[in-house]
Amino acid sequence: DAKTTQPPSMDCAEGRAANLPCNHSTISGNEYVYWYRQIHSQGPQYIIHGLKNNETNEMASLIITEDRKSSTLILPHATLRDTAVYYCIVHFPLKGTDKLIFGTGTRLQVFP
Amino acid sequence: KAGVTQTPRYLIKTRGQQVTLSCSPISGHRSVSWYQQTPGQGLQFLFEYFSETQRNKGNFPGRFSGRQFSNSRSEMNVSTLELGDSALYLCASSFPDRTEAFFGQGTRLTVV
Repeated sequence: DAKTTQPPSMDCAEGRAANLPCNHSTISGNEYVYWYRQIHSQGPQYIIHGLKNNETNEMASLIITEDRKSSTLILPHATLRDTAVYYCIVHFPLKGTDKLIFGTGTRLQVFP
Repeated sequence: KAGVTQTPRYLIKTRGQQVTLSCSPISGHRSVSWYQQTPGQGLQFLFEYFSETQRNKGNFPGRFSGRQFSNSRSEMNVSTLELGDSALYLCASSFPDRTEAFFGQGTRLTVV
């Protein structure tokens, strides 16, 4: 079973920041938080990951709470092309497996 | 750098037949994972291969099998197809025990 909980859907106006929350209250100390997104009928695309510090790359920012029980993915200036299902996943990459457990994700709709 | 390539992109098969799907990972990636995506069950892990060995398997019947070749290319096979096997089958590759996974565009299998 997935170890994360996400709202099923969110809306965001184009040009505004999209803040997608994720709860992972049972995360263990060596598990990372990963975010992927899936645009309709395509394969999931990696966005960002982090352990405990906030992270930023060209696509997004990841804010992880100090207790690591929740996180927020931030798309600073959402565009229509950001409309997708966003998945938050906890995973320990050095565990000898690359298996990812996907939950139901958040369907983000960006509107003009 | 070429991405993960899955062939064929679309496939229609009849109940009872068998099917083989192919996945060519990104050059240098040795870990290949397979996922099934359906509207009802979401994204579910099928199996994972590394250095021609299956190192993890999801909760699917024995009709689902796979293999990996010495060049890291992978195939999955589904025998005695059922209507419920209609799904998007996704392949992902990564460096072993590394961070992000790269997904292909998937093979859309329809069983009639």
